[in-house]
Amino acid sequence: DTGVSQDPRHKITKRGQNVTFRCDPISEHNRLYWYRQTLGQGPEFLTYFQNEAQLEKSRLLSDRFSAERPKGSFSTLEIQRTEQGDSAMYLCASSKGQGRGTNEKLFFGSGTQLSVL
Amino acid sequence: SQQGEEDPQALSIQEGENATMNCSYKTSINNLQWYRQNSGRGLVHLILIRSNEREKHSGRLRVTLDTSKKSSSLLITASRAADTASYFCATVSTPQGGSEKLVFGKGTKLTVNP
Repeated sequence: DTGVSQDPRHKITKRGQNVTFRCDPISEHNRLYWYRQTLGQGPEFLTYFQNEAQLEKSRLLSDRFSAERPKGSFSTLEIQRTEQGDSAMYLCASSKGQGRGTNEKLFFGSGTQLSVL
Repeated sequence: SQQGEEDPQALSIQEGENATMNCSYKTSINNLQWYRQNSGRGLVHLILIRSNEREKHSGRLRVTLDTSKKSSSLLITASRAADTASYFCATVSTPQGGSEKLVFGKGTKLTVNP
């Protein structure tokens, strides 16, 4: 069990640039989640995949955000035309789940800290 | 949007003391989970308690759930300096209640002084 890995750990970018983050979940996990966390707050749900299907997107996720999980394994989260308000920790989590709802524990990666200057 | 609210926001205790953190939520839930986060790191799952359960234990951790009051508590007994972290409760609502994904509170920042 190598855990959930995220790359890069830190990303500094200028406003208006595009950035892409990668998440490698635990290999046998079918579910993958993206959350965003700002200082002093709890993680906020962004989007969720079951295998390769993106089943839910938060209303928080503007059109500038897109996520993929092409083969049901790793996932990428892209932010286009970054804004200073996008600065946050982006957390990926995976789980082995079935049925409706999140009825199992999530395993989180260490996150990607994004700073938009 | 955040559903759970932890109380207190910050807690400072001496090593060996017990730490109690509370969580209140608004909708009917399927389950409630507690996570721990060390500064700048990802979250680590501690305990999952289902809506039909009232209490669960794991090592020095004890979690209670009162669905009539829509509240939960996390007790850490005989705390250690290594327990210093932020603790989050997260709820999964029933289909009628709201989001069926984990919704986190703002967390309690626990400091255990040696």
